[in-house]
Amino acid sequence: GAVVSQHPSWVICKSGTSVKIECRSLDFQATTMFWYRQFPKQSLMLMATSNEGSKATYEQGVEKDKFLINHASLTLSTLTVTSAHPEDSSFYICSAPRPGRQETQYFGPGTRLLVL
Amino acid sequence: AQTVTQSQPEMSVQEAETVTLSCTYDTSESDYYLFWYKQPPSRQMILVIRQEAYKQQNATENRFSVNFQKAAKSFSLKISDSQLGDAAMYFCAYRSDGSEKLVFGKGTKLTVNP
Repeated sequence: GAVVSQHPSWVICKSGTSVKIECRSLDFQATTMFWYRQFPKQSLMLMATSNEGSKATYEQGVEKDKFLINHASLTLSTLTVTSAHPEDSSFYICSAPRPGRQETQYFGPGTRLLVL
Repeated sequence: AQTVTQSQPEMSVQEAETVTLSCTYDTSESDYYLFWYKQPPSRQMILVIRQEAYKQQNATENRFSVNFQKAAKSFSLKISDSQLGDAAMYFCAYRSDGSEKLVFGKGTKLTVNP
């Protein structure tokens, strides 16, 4: 069964608004989670590493003020797309390593964001 | 920096036949992990198989097996007895022992013909 969940699965918003996406680890604690962005027919691009109790680590070229990440608890990380614009429309995926199999990432089902 | 190359953007196979997807990677490290993930049309990333670099034995998971050639830095995926449900994007990924980050290849789209 699923070990990582995401909510919402899809969202449509108006340009200029903010959107929050939640990533939850189910039945295990995750001190680290990862956020990816995927454009159609392309690979996953790592955006940032979410760290419980500390600031997120952003990959080069990712605007930290645009994509706010909060790792509120050991089972929840949130990604907020602030002042969204049409170019932010994409598929966002989170992942987390599962205890006992730390080297393996388990992925959420993804969130499809459309900014009008 | 490590890189992962999947040289086959698209592949097709007849149902019940065998297909091999290629993956090469570049690293100067000796300890690392390699993965194949499947992404069906639902876009849920599903772990297919993983390989620890320190293990010489090739990993197998039912109809899925890998050919891991450490010296050649090659990590191909063989799918036997292909099924319609195997149709998906397949991504090869690398993770060094000292990092939790995954480095993905660009993917191979697999079509299974009935």
